[in-house]
Amino acid sequence: DVKVTQSSRYLVKRTGEKVFLECVQDMDHENMFWYRQDPGLGLRLIYFSYDVKMKEKGDIPEGYSVSREKKERFSLILESASTNQTSMYLCASSLVASYNEQFFGPGTRLTVL
Amino acid sequence: AQKITQTQPGMFVQEKEAVTLDCTYDTSDPSYGLFWYKQPSSGEMIFLIYQGSYDQQNATEGRYSLNFQKARKSANLVISASQLGDSAMYFCAMRGANTGNQFYFGTGTSLTVIP
Repeated sequence: DVKVTQSSRYLVKRTGEKVFLECVQDMDHENMFWYRQDPGLGLRLIYFSYDVKMKEKGDIPEGYSVSREKKERFSLILESASTNQTSMYLCASSLVASYNEQFFGPGTRLTVL
Repeated sequence: AQKITQTQPGMFVQEKEAVTLDCTYDTSDPSYGLFWYKQPSSGEMIFLIYQGSYDQQNATEGRYSLNFQKARKSANLVISASQLGDSAMYFCAMRGANTGNQFYFGTGTSLTVIP
């Protein structure tokens, strides 16, 4: 069964902390994505990666960085967490062709105090 | 530029009735795919249905069908015989062949099924 896993369902951090969100997929997908979801704003793309060590900025990359050292793993890093980064973070993966859907992880609800 | 618009923030439907969730899109890509996802209160995103821009027939998956009107750039989701478990957020998304790595999502519609 296809699977995308995220390291935590709930996370509470303090302002200024460095935060790592991990995502692992077992489907050998080339593409991986990090989204942020806030009420009324839908899903906003932070970063995506189309290959190992390759990354592209999405719509809201400020305050975030990513790492993809292995094909199956895509990490989102909040260099210095701020309260406005409190949100639901969703990881997804997909094959390359445009008719392929994304598969999502269960999400990480991050609270920054 | 790619854009997805869902104009219904919230919808109510009586159990066993059909409901249509609206989605319009804008793209310069000649070839693209349209997707609908369901997000229950538990938070996971569940893929429901896919429509390709060159598909001649509207896609169907069980109680879900996609009313695809290419000239009007609309891809509405129709849920027939609504069930209480259909209460969720629904997101429309698009992926272009020329921007194949990126998906574009609408802001979602919250559907509540009333017993």
